[in-house]
Amino acid sequence: GENVEQHPSTLSVQEGDSAVIKCTYSDSASNYFPWYKQELGKGPQLIIDIRSNVGEKKDQRIAVTLNKTAKHFSLHITETQPEDSAVYFCAASWLAAGNKLTFGGGTRVLVKP
Amino acid sequence: DTAVSQTPKYLVTQMGNDKSIKCEQNLGHDTMYWYKQDSKKFLKIMFSYNNKELIINETVPNRFSPKSPDKAHLNLHINSLELGDSAVYFCASSQDPQEYEQFFGPGTRLTVL
Repeated sequence: GENVEQHPSTLSVQEGDSAVIKCTYSDSASNYFPWYKQELGKGPQLIIDIRSNVGEKKDQRIAVTLNKTAKHFSLHITETQPEDSAVYFCAASWLAAGNKLTFGGGTRVLVKP
Repeated sequence: DTAVSQTPKYLVTQMGNDKSIKCEQNLGHDTMYWYKQDSKKFLKIMFSYNNKELIINETVPNRFSPKSPDKAHLNLHINSLELGDSAVYFCASSQDPQEYEQFFGPGTRLTVL
């Protein structure tokens, strides 16, 4: 089955700096890679996703890159703000298998004002 | 106007008891999921239903039994609760199994004493 590894497990950045979280996956059949943000006491919320036919996607301060050959994908947050502080999860899924998301272990991001 | 709701939010019970967690979505989605998040924040899928039919059933003890009375509801019944069942359980939904985005509920924190 799919295995997703996520690094780092914790990340502390100064407000205004950039944050980068990296994930690797094992199953070359995976074709969908979402990123979720989980705030304290809440459920995960999708912030951006990328499909296997695209190498990069950007939405305002958030961008995701995908390298299918190396089975790597990364989340980039620019101009970080205190409200970006949360736990971020990457995930991978093969839609033909029923959209079963396999999550990485999470990254706790702390943005210091 | 809650999209995915769960009840109860907190559940504290004794070992050996039987309990249920309810989930409802008002998004008109066909597919619903149950995830378990352990104390280390690791998120893992348990079940998925599409139009009341089970499509994903991970390696979960048969003490856990999902029930979908209609496509807007997916309840989780747990028999003979064990200490290791303590976790946060999240319900999620998506338009269908081939639709990418999954919307998560707020979670139910289960504590088994």
